[in-house]
Amino acid sequence: AQRVTQPEKLLSVFKGAPVELKCNYSYSGSPELFWYVQYSRQRLQLLLRHISRESIKGFTADLNKGETSFHLKKPFAQEEDSAMYYCALGTGYKLSFGAGTTVTVRA
Amino acid sequence: GAVVSQHPSWVICKSGTSVKIECRSLDFQATTMFWYRQFPKQSLMLMATSNEGSKATYEQGVEKDKFLINHASLTLSTLTVTSAHPEDSSFYICSAERLAGGNEQFFGPGTRLTVL
Repeated sequence: AQRVTQPEKLLSVFKGAPVELKCNYSYSGSPELFWYVQYSRQRLQLLLRHISRESIKGFTADLNKGETSFHLKKPFAQEEDSAMYYCALGTGYKLSFGAGTTVTVRA
Repeated sequence: GAVVSQHPSWVICKSGTSVKIECRSLDFQATTMFWYRQFPKQSLMLMATSNEGSKATYEQGVEKDKFLINHASLTLSTLTVTSAHPEDSSFYICSAERLAGGNEQFFGPGTRLTVL
């Protein structure tokens, strides 16, 4: 069965500091990984997906199949990055979400 | 583009009544729509997947007679919580996958259901 683990529920960093959100997955097939973000009082929206290999809002994530990880990174956090972040694993048509990490960026 | 709406945004009902929640893709046609449930400070749990014109596929542990899903068109899916009870109180979120969109799901804003 597929599973997504986000070990950190809360993450607090200072503005300008690097931030890394951890995500590990368990899946026997070929995974498709996503990061979704939910800003305060807004809907869930796609931040990035591993197949596109692009940087969105300064965030990057690399799929490491050996470590079954898809950690999200940003070298310099901004206050507007404060949000809830969900890692998701796509298997066929379904998405399985991790528990989410709340990021607070302090001035 | 790719906006998904839900109606209502919140609803309070008495125990034993049924509540219908609508999910619409406003500017695109959706091959598949998904219904999730989210408890406070917890992740989204997939309840069911619906395709236009066919029966919904429910996840294990989700009662299909309790949570009725109708996907009448490529832009509308409805979730009816039948004979609601306080334990059904939750945040229900739908998403839609675009007909030509490469498996990306677009999420609605969610519906807060409170059963008294």
